[in-house]
Amino acid sequence: TQLLEQSPQFLSIQEGENLTVYCNSSSVFSSLQWYRQEPGEGPVLLVTVVTGGEVKKLKRLTFQFGDARKDSSLHITAAQPGDTGLYLCAEYPSGTYKYIFGTGTRLKVLA
Amino acid sequence: GAGVSQSPSNKVTEKGKDVELRCDPISGHTALYWYRQSLGQGLEFLIYFQGNSAPDKSGLPSDRFSAERTGGSVSTLTIQRTQQEDSAVYLCASSLGTRQPQHFGDGTRLSIL
Repeated sequence: TQLLEQSPQFLSIQEGENLTVYCNSSSVFSSLQWYRQEPGEGPVLLVTVVTGGEVKKLKRLTFQFGDARKDSSLHITAAQPGDTGLYLCAEYPSGTYKYIFGTGTRLKVLA
Repeated sequence: GAGVSQSPSNKVTEKGKDVELRCDPISGHTALYWYRQSLGQGLEFLIYFQGNSAPDKSGLPSDRFSAERTGGSVSTLTIQRTQQEDSAVYLCASSLGTRQPQHFGDGTRLSIL
């Protein structure tokens, strides 16, 4: 069974700080998605990465896909309270029709 | 609205009762997923519907859980003889097709007393 591990589980930082969260798989990804979920809401897709070594930027968020396509990172620059939420990575293993989600990183940015 | 709609948003019921959760996907989305999320945790896949194909029920935790999708649109997830461990947020997502980005509803928070 393919597993997605996210670290850290919890992160509490001050506004303006930088942070990186990680997603690691037990095997090679076909593609990877990052979602953010705010309390009381469903997850919202942030980005999809497909190619090994790929880097995508979304304002202050930088997403990187590892060269071997077994890991990914999300870096947030100058975090703001609005970045608070549960960050989930998800992948779609080859030959299946269902997504596997990581356990998430719960981020809290203090004003 | 144009998003995925789930109802009810909250449901409190007694142990042993049956519950029915509803999901209205985005119009034109052929794929529909149900997930369960326990407090502060990631998402656990339950069931997947794609068009007129037989659903993938491999994630349903027991035979007390069932789901159907009528006319390729609205879906209902039914839990019979609820147990306390069924307490969780049940999320529905739809997508244009297999391997397309998923759009989630805000979930139904189910509490079993």
